[in-house]
Amino acid sequence: EAGVAQSPRYKIIEKRQSVAFWCNPISGHATLYWYQQILGQGPKLLIQFQNNGVVDDSQLPKDRFSAERLKGVDSTLKIQPAKLEDSAVYLCASSFGDTVYEQYFGPGTRLTVT
Amino acid sequence: SQQGEEDPQALSIQEGENATMNCSYKTSINNLQWYRQNSGRGLVHLILIRSNEREKHSGRLRVTLDTSKKSSSLLITASRAADTASYFCATDASDKIIFGKGTRLHILP
Repeated sequence: EAGVAQSPRYKIIEKRQSVAFWCNPISGHATLYWYQQILGQGPKLLIQFQNNGVVDDSQLPKDRFSAERLKGVDSTLKIQPAKLEDSAVYLCASSFGDTVYEQYFGPGTRLTVT
Repeated sequence: SQQGEEDPQALSIQEGENATMNCSYKTSINNLQWYRQNSGRGLVHLILIRSNEREKHSGRLRVTLDTSKKSSSLLITASRAADTASYFCATDASDKIIFGKGTRLHILP
């Protein structure tokens, strides 16, 4: 079974630039999550999708971050414009159902904002 | 918002010894999960324990849950070098998953 795919793996941008991350979840998984993990901390949930719909985006900085999940499969997370404090690893995860189920994580995208 | 907090923040033990790490949380939960993260395999699910369960086993892992104390523990028996990683508890409350800051475990040869 293929795992969660993410790209790119690494990205370096200057502040005020924009960046986009892509995630392809495990086939058949209805729920998709985007997390931000700052060095030395645990992952922080940014947004949770159930199929096409948003379940929770309470911690997503909506003035600069946006995410979509087209056709209930792939998802993109965008930051525009980026700030220095956005430097982190962005993790995508998927699960078969809701929060009762284990999450499978992708390898993450390490973003450095200079 | 911080829901689960692991303790200790860092732990070093000799290979073959047992490692115990704890997670405390603030509000009632539906379930609690433990995850491991290392540079080689990323973040991997270890075990899920539901609020009506008190103990679960998986191989060398034993997880306990005490809802009256709002705490959970993860025991790794007969530790190996490959167990070197960060361990996170993730609590599910009101359908929100919140991760703690993690315990960094280092297994010494």
